[in-house]
Amino acid sequence: QKEVEQDPGPLSVPEGAIVSLNCTYSNSAFQYFMWYRQYSRKGPELLMYTYSSGNKEDGRFTAQVDKSSKYISLFIRDSQPSDSATYLCAMSGGGNNRLAFGKGNQVVVIP
Amino acid sequence: NAGVMQNPRHLVRRRGQEARLRCSPMKGHSHVYWYRQLPEEGLKFMVYLQKENIIDESGMPKERFSAEFPKEGPSILRIQQVVRGDSAAYFCASSWGTEAFFGQGTRLTVV
Repeated sequence: QKEVEQDPGPLSVPEGAIVSLNCTYSNSAFQYFMWYRQYSRKGPELLMYTYSSGNKEDGRFTAQVDKSSKYISLFIRDSQPSDSATYLCAMSGGGNNRLAFGKGNQVVVIP
Repeated sequence: NAGVMQNPRHLVRRRGQEARLRCSPMKGHSHVYWYRQLPEEGLKFMVYLQKENIIDESGMPKERFSAEFPKEGPSILRIQQVVRGDSAAYFCASSWGTEAFFGQGTRLTVV
């Protein structure tokens, strides 16, 4: 089983829809959970950072972590064409601070 | 506070030459990560370093690749005797222990 599983998509949604992305993981030591957004030919940009279980909201973005299920989610409300990008989940913990990434989920928001 | 700086942004090397990629972390960050990204693929972990120490190099090819993060100066990813298969985007990220921030990457093309 891979350390972090993320369905690579792609995912196409109409403008204004809710985008729902998720990752599962196998390492129960992970405590820090991140979502990155990567535009084509650019470096990943940190979107959301969450410690342990719970929800975090920032504008149109909501991150959820369920450690008991080893499952994290990112929701984008009122999606815009500018949200079209690849979204990567990442997590770390367990002592060595190495970040483990999902493969990334390509999202296309259609005007 | 400048972000993570990588240079050069683009690097062209002939087969058999050496490639040296540089990464200056954000001020105050002592952790550096290197990732490789092939077109249409996710980020692949290569190596995690703290000042003067390699913490985890489990993603580094055993031959031709090396990395360092000296006490002074940038982190260097060195690829000796490059081959066409080394052509990729190489991203560096830095952190002080939890969330990481990425540079814009170096795109290596081997001709």
